[in-house]
Parts: sequence; C-alpha cells; structure tokens
Amino acid sequence: GEDVEQSLFLSVREGDSSVINCTYTDSSSTYLYWYKQEPGAGLQLLTYIFSNMDMKQDQRLTVLLNKKDKHLSLRIADTQTGDSAIYFCAETPPGGYNKLIFGAGTRLAVHP
Amino acid sequence: DSGVTQTPKHLITATGQRVTLRCSPRSGDLSVYWYQQSLDQGLQFLIQYYNGEERAKGNILERFSAQQFPDLHSELNLSSLELGDSALYFCASSDGRQDFNEKLFFGSGTQLSVL
Repeated sequence: GEDVEQSLFLSVREGDSSVINCTYTDSSSTYLYWYKQEPGAGLQLLTYIFSNMDMKQDQRLTVLLNKKDKHLSLRIADTQTGDSAIYFCAETPPGGYNKLIFGAGTRLAVHP
Repeated sequence: DSGVTQTPKHLITATGQRVTLRCSPRSGDLSVYWYQQSLDQGLQFLIQYYNGEERAKGNILERFSAQQFPDLHSELNLSSLELGDSALYFCASSDGRQDFNEKLFFGSGTQLSVL
C-alpha cells in the first residue's frame, strides 16, 4: 500500500544542521521528493532522488535514501531562520502518472 | 510565484451548499492536480487531469467533481458541503508529457471554511 510517515516537529538552533526523516511503504516507488511549504504559500519542490541512488547533494541540502529500510532523510546544513517551514516527503508509486503521496509534514522551527 | 493561479483565496460557506474552486495552470502545462490539505488527513491527492481527460483518481468523495476545460483551466466542484470539508485545497500543474518525475508547481491554495 501507499503510506508515508514523518515526525511532526523539529526544533533546531540557527547554524546547526537539521535532519528530517521519512519512511515509506511502497518499495517499488521510483522517485522520492522533498517539498517545502512556507506560511500562506503552496508547496515548492526542494529536491528529489531516484530510487537507485543512495545520496544526492544540492548546496545545503543532502538527501539520503536507504532503500532496504525504506527510509529517506533530508539534511539541511547551516540552518537559517528562513528555513522555518513545513517539509513534506512524497513518493510517486509506479504507474502513478506523477501522482504524489505525501507524508503529514514536519514543521521545522529555527531559533536563534 | 509558481505561475499557478487559484481563485478564490478564501471561501466561507454553510453546510449543504455547493462551491466551485478554480485553477489556471502554468502556461504550457497540460496536467492539473487537485489536493486537499486538512489538519487530520494531511495532504490528500484528489484527482488529476491531462489535456481535458481524467488521468488518475485518489481519495475524492462522490460529492466532489472536477473537470478540465479546453483552455486547460480546471474547476473543482464541492457539493452538499459538510463541516469536515473545511480544508485548504491546492491545485498543481505539470507539463504532462512525461509519465514520471515531472516537477509539480503548486498554487497558493483556496482556504474553504464550512460553517
């Protein structure tokens, strides 16, 4: 079945690294995504990883994928106050025509 | 700005009523998706259209319907509204020409409050 789970809250100090975790159930998912939602705005794609990759780095963002454990994580280096938002993990099941299955979202709070 | 326009931004109505939410996709995008975001259910996929035709269906209630018009804009119709339909409704669009890994662009949503 299709299910994506995330922890709901994360609080970090400015300048520290943030790690947001996600688990998914559909092992045949081909692509996994991280979206960011700022207050009053729609979702914005941050990054994605193909299921045959273990890691992807994009500036301050590092995505790690453990396919065996169906675990995805997003690391934000040098977290800034502007990173405060809700972060959603999402998967696209095969044959899903880009339909996204989202987790509940992790609210990241960055404090000085 | 994602290029996806949703109207209205806010809608307040009463139980039993019917409303229509409108979405204009990014220029050139053929696919439109509708999502519902509520506190208890999170972000739920409702339905997807591609070039006027329904392509995928998710957890959409029978009281809800959608369509995509020849100019590619889409409307989501919600009828016999219940308190539990109060949510943020997002529209997203994508190019539509690939079957996978297309980037979805989201509108800023319509906040529906059913009183």
